[in-house]
Amino acid sequence: GENVEQHPSTLSVQEGDSAVIKCTYSDSASNYFPWYKQELGKRPQLIIDIRSNVGEKKDQRIAVTLNKTAKHFSLHITETQPEDSAVYFCAASLTGTASKLTFGTGTRLQVTL
Amino acid sequence: EAGVVQSPRYKIIEKKQPVAFWCNPISGHNTLYWYLQNLGQGPELLIRYENEEAVDDSQLPKDRFSAERLKGVDSTLKIQPAELGDSAVYLCASSLEPRTVQYFGAGTRLSVL
Repeated sequence: GENVEQHPSTLSVQEGDSAVIKCTYSDSASNYFPWYKQELGKRPQLIIDIRSNVGEKKDQRIAVTLNKTAKHFSLHITETQPEDSAVYFCAASLTGTASKLTFGTGTRLQVTL
Repeated sequence: EAGVVQSPRYKIIEKKQPVAFWCNPISGHNTLYWYLQNLGQGPELLIRYENEEAVDDSQLPKDRFSAERLKGVDSTLKIQPAELGDSAVYLCASSLEPRTVQYFGAGTRLSVL
């Protein structure tokens, strides 16, 4: 089955700086890659996703890049704000849809003032 | 629109006791998922329903775990008997169709003593 590794496990940045979280996946057939944000004690929420036919996708301060050859994808957050502090999970799916997701182990992002 | 509702939010039981978790998906969502989330880890799929049918229960430990989704709406996940290692957060998610975005509930945090 699919295996997803995520790094770093914790990340601390100053407000206004950029944050980058990286994930690698094992199965080259994976073709759908969502990112979820989970604030403390709250539910995971989808923040952005990308499919394998696209190399990059942006949504305001958030972007995701995909390198199919290297089998890795990254989340980029620019101009970080305190409300960006949360745990971020990447996931990969073999089915091209959200129906069979394998999640990474999460990155705890702390944005300091 | 109400999100995915789970209850209870917290449950503390002694080992060998039974426990049940309840999930009410977003209205109209015919796909429902149960995930297990251990501390510091990403969610792991236990079972996926499409309407009343469990279409993927390969990761459900069937010796002690059971689930049902009567009438294709609410779902219940049961553990009997609970073991110390079952302490975790149990997340429910739903999607409009199998191939669309999953929306998560807030989870039930189970502590087995």
